Amino acid sequence: EVQLLESGGDMVQPGGSLRLSCAASGFNFEDYAMNWVRQAPGKGLEWVSSISGYGDKSAYADSVKGRFTISRDNSKNALYLQMSSVRADDTAMYYCARDQRGYNRPSDHWGQGTLVTVSS
Amino acid sequence: EIVLTQSPATLSLSPGQRAIVSCRASQSIGTFLAWYQQKPGQAPRLLIYDASNRATGIPARFSGSGSGTDFTLSISSLEPEDFAVYYCQERTNWPLTFGGGTRVEIK
Repeated sequence: EVQLLESGGDMVQPGGSLRLSCAASGFNFEDYAMNWVRQAPGKGLEWVSSISGYGDKSAYADSVKGRFTISRDNSKNALYLQMSSVRADDTAMYYCARDQRGYNRPSDHWGQGTLVTVSS
Repeated sequence: EIVLTQSPATLSLSPGQRAIVSCRASQSIGTFLAWYQQKPGQAPRLLIYDASNRATGIPARFSGSGSGTDFTLSISSLEPEDFAVYYCQERTNWPLTFGGGTRVEIK
């Protein structure tokens, strides 16, 4: 059974840093691209970042480019999101999501999310 | 960046009725479109991929159609568990985008 378990969400002050983790199990992790998607309270879904299976390619939304870094450790079946210079509008539930194998594939498994609150 | 516009924002229907949700892309995306369902307090769930393929375990009352810039999600006969928010997402290239969402609520 595919499982994705996010952790690391917390309350952080504006300008601070936080690292989110996503522990994956039930599939061959390095075969799949992974994503971070967030949802601000009462708002819609926003794609944040994606990374290829081997970790050699990644992309970011303009809203987080230069502040967030996606990475993965295939030996640990783990996905990460390093957040720095956080702002109030980064407050959201952060989901990790696995893409189907192949190119241009949708996200077929999602974790339950971890909550990040940016507040002084 | 591709912009996805969903309509309507809210759909008020009764159980048993048919729901139709639209998603329009700002440029052609072929059939690289997915639909997700999200219920309160839950993660999104993949319903439809490649515009018209149902994901594993999704009931046949859900169907998707369209190509290019205009797409539709249809629910043939609403069940109580179908009242939720629905999002489209384009899957051409990074960066990816979601539509703004359509809430299907009980009338």
